[in-house]
Amino acid sequence: DSGVTQTPKHLITATGQRVTLRCSPRSGDLSVYWYQQSLDQGLQFLIQYYNGEERAKGNILERFSAQQFPDLHSELNLSSLELGDSALYFCASSGDRGPDGYTFGSGTRLTVV
Amino acid sequence: AQSVSQHNHHVILSEAASLELGCNYSYGGTVNLFWYVQYPGQHLQLLLKYFSGDPLVKGIKGFEAEFIKSKFSFNLRKPSVQWSDTAEYFCAVNANSNDYKLSFGAGTTVTVRA
Repeated sequence: DSGVTQTPKHLITATGQRVTLRCSPRSGDLSVYWYQQSLDQGLQFLIQYYNGEERAKGNILERFSAQQFPDLHSELNLSSLELGDSALYFCASSGDRGPDGYTFGSGTRLTVV
Repeated sequence: AQSVSQHNHHVILSEAASLELGCNYSYGGTVNLFWYVQYPGQHLQLLLKYFSGDPLVKGIKGFEAEFIKSKFSFNLRKPSVQWSDTAEYFCAVNANSNDYKLSFGAGTTVTVRA
């Protein structure tokens, strides 16, 4: 157990639907990062939140959004899902030690059918 | 465009063989460099990292990597692999001190045959 908790572990949904992925960071970590891992794109950075505020944005589609709540957990919302959104979505957290303290969760495997 | 390149997509080798995985990046300026490993069905785990100082860094499980600034490279090595080293290996770069996002290479799948 890395200390970063992601739920659910698996998710199967239909095209056009909306899902929410949840991430609880390691205790004390203020930053949460979302990554998408797919066979054709590899590991892509989506978005980073730090203490409730968006800090960096990567290749995140407009259909996707995220937020970080006061208790520091984060949610990634994926809407109008397409087959190509099927991927493993990882969350990572870090403290003020920056990338030195990066810890990944086990991921949520999303399958869009 | 800034990128991280891993030269080998899939490497197959026998136990006790030596392993070297290439990684090149195209970012200018100061970078922090990492190698992560992903065992089947598991999350990414940090193998080693380079921030500054000695360009030869040692990580866990007998892995080491050498930072060569002039070549923009950070190659991963292990003198003698074991079957348990079968995994996917990712090189990653953090190129911005204001955020800690990582840019990953495409990954190299390593299969070690017993």
